Amino acid sequence: DQQVKQNSPSLSVQEGRISILNCDYTNSMFDYFLWYKKYPAEGPTFLISISSIKDKNEDGRFTVFLNKSAKHLSLHIVPSQPGDSAVYFCAASASGNTDKLIFGTGTRLQVFP
Amino acid sequence: DVKVTQSSRYLVKRTGEKVFLECVQDMDHENMFWYRQDPGLGLRLIYFSYDVKMKEKGDIPEGYSVSREKKERFSLILESASTNQTSMYLCASSSLAGGRNEQYFGPGTRLTVT
Repeated sequence: DQQVKQNSPSLSVQEGRISILNCDYTNSMFDYFLWYKKYPAEGPTFLISISSIKDKNEDGRFTVFLNKSAKHLSLHIVPSQPGDSAVYFCAASASGNTDKLIFGTGTRLQVFP
Repeated sequence: DVKVTQSSRYLVKRTGEKVFLECVQDMDHENMFWYRQDPGLGLRLIYFSYDVKMKEKGDIPEGYSVSREKKERFSLILESASTNQTSMYLCASSSLAGGRNEQYFGPGTRLTVT
């Protein structure tokens, strides 16, 4: 039972354009969401997070949007750069169980020149 | 900067061998985690620990055990390695000091069981 789903295994975007990575969840108890970025042969690194009391959080070129009614979040990267090419994982946690993260299956983003 | 290190980057073991994967973090974090990453399955939690000598099963604990004798060190043990345990193993740590915090990951150990 996949509680956090990333339905697009891969995405290809031209440099300078917007990359939009999507994530859906099923557990209504989730109230904190994170995006991680992973390069090959490295561990995931934290990118950006959002609490369920917000619907948007922005950090430089990265913005995460949360639609609670649709149980959907998205990561926007503008403008996309070749160095953004990596696998992106979304993750979720529930209050009262804040230590444990449930990860999605990942989306491989390729940014081409 | 938080640093999480794992004892080996690549490991090849034979079926039936006992395998130890070691993880050390240097930020005095209370929480430590072991995941495995497989294509199409994302990161799946094997075991985690809130404190020294404490352990909790994750989503896929079968075939694994863990040990946390010191706060900074969390070991994953494969009692009798099998080919379906060939995977990338990732260790992470986190602290709840100050609220909801992200997990910090080590570089991973690519384990091949033949």
